[in-house]
Amino acid sequence: AQSVTQLDSHVSVSEGTPVLLRCNYSSSYSPSLFWYVQHPNKGLQLLLKYTSAATLVKGINGFEAEFKKSETSFHLTKPSAHMSDAAEYFCGTSGTYKYIFGTGTRLKVLA
Amino acid sequence: GAGVSQSPSNKVTEKGKDVELRCDPISGHTALYWYRQRLGQGLEFLIYFQGNSAPDKSGLPSDRFSAERTGESVSTLTIQRTQQEDSAVYLCASSHSRRAGGLISPLHFGNGTRLTVT
Repeated sequence: AQSVTQLDSHVSVSEGTPVLLRCNYSSSYSPSLFWYVQHPNKGLQLLLKYTSAATLVKGINGFEAEFKKSETSFHLTKPSAHMSDAAEYFCGTSGTYKYIFGTGTRLKVLA
Repeated sequence: GAGVSQSPSNKVTEKGKDVELRCDPISGHTALYWYRQRLGQGLEFLIYFQGNSAPDKSGLPSDRFSAERTGESVSTLTIQRTQQEDSAVYLCASSHSRRAGGLISPLHFGNGTRLTVT
């Protein structure tokens, strides 16, 4: 069965420093993987998606993620955090049709 | 273009009452999903609709929960005899259907309905 695990429930970074949000997946075949962001009282917005093309995926707002099959990981990174990046981030995967999400990582950005 | 629209945005109801939540998907999206998000938790899959196929109801937590969708249009999620544990944000999402060997179409989410059962 497919699953994703977000390794950190909370991450705090200072503004201007790098962001790393970790996600590991479990899949019996090449998965499709996503990262979504959720701001307070909003729905989820797609940041980026991996669909077996390039292993380094660039998304919106300066985020990117690298698919590493050997590590079964799809970590989300950003070189320099901005205050507006403070939100909840969800890693997800898609099987035949069902989308499965991790439990989320709340990113806090300190001034 | 217009995104996924959900109504109401907030709903407060008394324990034991029935509630109906509405979702308008993006036009042309054949797939529609309902998720539940409890405070501080992740997304819990509830139900999936794909065109005129039988829905996948495997995520509905009890028989008090039901959902309908007519064709590729509006969907309603109904919760009967609400309980306090039903308090959560209910998120609707839609997408294009996936064709065999085709690209995965990501989900587009509405802003959710925040349900509070008192």
